[in-house]
Amino acid sequence: EAQVTQNPRYLITVTGKKLTVTCSQNMNHEYMSWYRQDPGLGLRQIYYSMNVEVTDKGDVPEGYKVSRKEKRNFPLILESPSPNQTSLYFCASSPRTEPYGYTFGSGTRLTVV
Amino acid sequence: EDQVTQSPEALRLQEGESSSLNCSYTVSGLRGLFWYRQDPGKGPEFLFTLYSAGEEKEKERLKATLTKKESFLHITAPKPEDSATYLCAVQPANSKLTFGKGITLSVRP
Repeated sequence: EAQVTQNPRYLITVTGKKLTVTCSQNMNHEYMSWYRQDPGLGLRQIYYSMNVEVTDKGDVPEGYKVSRKEKRNFPLILESPSPNQTSLYFCASSPRTEPYGYTFGSGTRLTVV
Repeated sequence: EDQVTQSPEALRLQEGESSSLNCSYTVSGLRGLFWYRQDPGKGPEFLFTLYSAGEEKEKERLKATLTKKESFLHITAPKPEDSATYLCAVQPANSKLTFGKGITLSVRP
């Protein structure tokens, strides 16, 4: 089944403890992206990647890091999480940068206390 | 600055009562407009892509249309299972998707 898989689905952590949210897609998509979704603010892009070793900032990149060493994986790293990063996170992928519909993962609900 | 405004924020319909959801946008060089459906706690599910003014696409009870300034998602004879949040997004020339805040649709039996 074609899908984007995120792990974990739920995570509660403490301020300052480094964490990684994994994202993997099995569709051989070039384009991958991370979003956060907050009530009243909608979906906002954190980082995106056009292909392996090519990443760029989205609208809200502060406090996040990404890497794209393999085509299928695009992990999101929070080096020192803070409570304002409590949110619902989604990974998405697309065949290429032309306007194709994105496939989204099921989401990771992160709580930083 | 690219902007996407969806209205109304929430819509409650009786089963069978047709209506339309609006997505107004301002963007430089539109490459595509997307509609997604999102159920609570789940990732957005792709519905349609529209590329140019005048284009229409249909899927079951849903029909999406596009003009130079806005898009409509028409829902014909909705059922309770159509209850969800509907997201509109635009892809401008710089390739970054910009999402609207969504419209929460509730369909009562």
